[in-house]
Amino acid sequence: NAGVTQTPKFRVLKTGQSMTLLCAQDMNHEYMYWYRQDPGMGLRLIHYSVGEGTTAKGEVPDGYNVSRLKKQNFLLGLESAAPSQTSVYFCASSYSMGQFYEQYFGPGTRLTVT
Amino acid sequence: GESVGLHLPTLSVQEGDNSIINCAYSNSASDYFIWYKQESGKGPQFIIDIRSNMDKRQGQRVTVLLNKTVKHLSLQIAATQPGDSAVYFCAENIGGAQKLVFGQGTRLTINP
Repeated sequence: NAGVTQTPKFRVLKTGQSMTLLCAQDMNHEYMYWYRQDPGMGLRLIHYSVGEGTTAKGEVPDGYNVSRLKKQNFLLGLESAAPSQTSVYFCASSYSMGQFYEQYFGPGTRLTVT
Repeated sequence: GESVGLHLPTLSVQEGDNSIINCAYSNSASDYFIWYKQESGKGPQFIIDIRSNMDKRQGQRVTVLLNKTVKHLSLQIAATQPGDSAVYFCAENIGGAQKLVFGQGTRLTINP
C-alpha cells in the first residue's frame, strides 16, 4: 500500500494564480482532511470530508475549496492565491469506525506564493 | 484559539535517558487524544493515542498518560535514541467527524 500520497511536492505560484492539490489514499478510508502548517506551528484544519460527495469547513477554510468526487481522492483548490497561503499542506485520512481513529498523513506539499 | 498547548517548546535529553513531553488541553469534552512525531520535511507520524475513559496506554518504548482532573496529557519515551529527534505534537478531538486540534509542538533533541 502506498498509504496517502500528495501531488505536487513543491509549487511556486504568483499572487492571483490558481492551482489544485491532489490527495489520494488506498486504504479505503471514509474520512479525509486537508491541513496547513505554518513555520513553528501545529497543523490547522482547512476542510474535511466524511465520505464521497461530502465536504465541510474546518478551522481556516477561507480562500480554499475542496471536492471529493471519488472516495480515494480529495482535492484542495486555491482559486486566487495570496502570499498568506504560503505554507506546507498536508492531507490525511482515517477510518470512520472504532474507538481509536488515527489519521494517516501524506508527505506534504510545500507551496510558496510570491 | 487553540485549546491544546504545550508547556515547553524545546526539550533536550541525553541519549539513553527517558523523555517526558507535556501537553495541556482546555476542552473537558475532548474524548480522544493522540501524539504525532514529525521529522524535518515529512508528514506527521502516529505514535500513540488514548481515549478519555483511559488513564494510561503503553506502546513500544512509549507511554501516554492522561490526567483529566487537570486536563494534562504526557508522552513518555523510554531510553531515548537519536532517531527520536523530532517535533512532537499532541492533538485532541473536540467534535464529530474525528476532527483534531493540534498543539504547537515540542522539539526534542538528543545529546550524545
